[in-house]
Amino acid sequence: AQSVTQLGSHVSVSEGALVLLRCNYSSSVPPYLFWYVQYPNQGLQLLLKYTSAATLVKGINGFEAEFKKSETSFHLTKPSAHMSDAAEYFCALGGAGKSTFGDGTTLTVKP
Amino acid sequence: EAGVAQSPRYKIIEKRQSVAFWCNPISGHATLYWYQQILGQGPKLLIQFQNNGVVDDSQLPKDRFSAERLKGVDSTLKIQPAKLEDSAVYLCASSLDLGEAFFGQGTRLTVV
Repeated sequence: AQSVTQLGSHVSVSEGALVLLRCNYSSSVPPYLFWYVQYPNQGLQLLLKYTSAATLVKGINGFEAEFKKSETSFHLTKPSAHMSDAAEYFCALGGAGKSTFGDGTTLTVKP
Repeated sequence: EAGVAQSPRYKIIEKRQSVAFWCNPISGHATLYWYQQILGQGPKLLIQFQNNGVVDDSQLPKDRFSAERLKGVDSTLKIQPAKLEDSAVYLCASSLDLGEAFFGQGTRLTVV
């Protein structure tokens, strides 16, 4: 069975600080992995996706994620947080659209 | 390009009542998904359509939930009768075949 675990339901950083959101997965087949962002009362927007090409994936808004097979991880990072990054972030596993989602991490950015 | 449209945005009903949600996917997208997102959890796939055929409905509570996609375009999701635990945001998404999925803003259902 496939599963996704997001470590830390809430992460708080200062503006300008590094953002690190953790995601670990379990899959019996080579995974497709995704990060989505959800702003209040909005749908999900794709930030980036890994589909077995380069292990370091760059996405929108300055975010990137690194696929590490040995650690079964796909952590999301951004070098410098902006106030506009405050949102909920979801890691997902599987085929695009039909995915297994983690329970999300709420990112708070302090001025 | 217009995005995925959903209506209504909000709905409050009493338990045991019925409710229906509507989704209009992006034009030309063959695949349509309905997800249930309970507060504090990630979205859970309820049903996936390819054109007007069901591909996966393994997690749809079929005793009370039903969905259809007539003519392979718009879709409706119905709950009858609703239970308190059905309170959630219902998200519709669409994609070209199995490419990137685009999500609507969702319908927030409150069952009281």
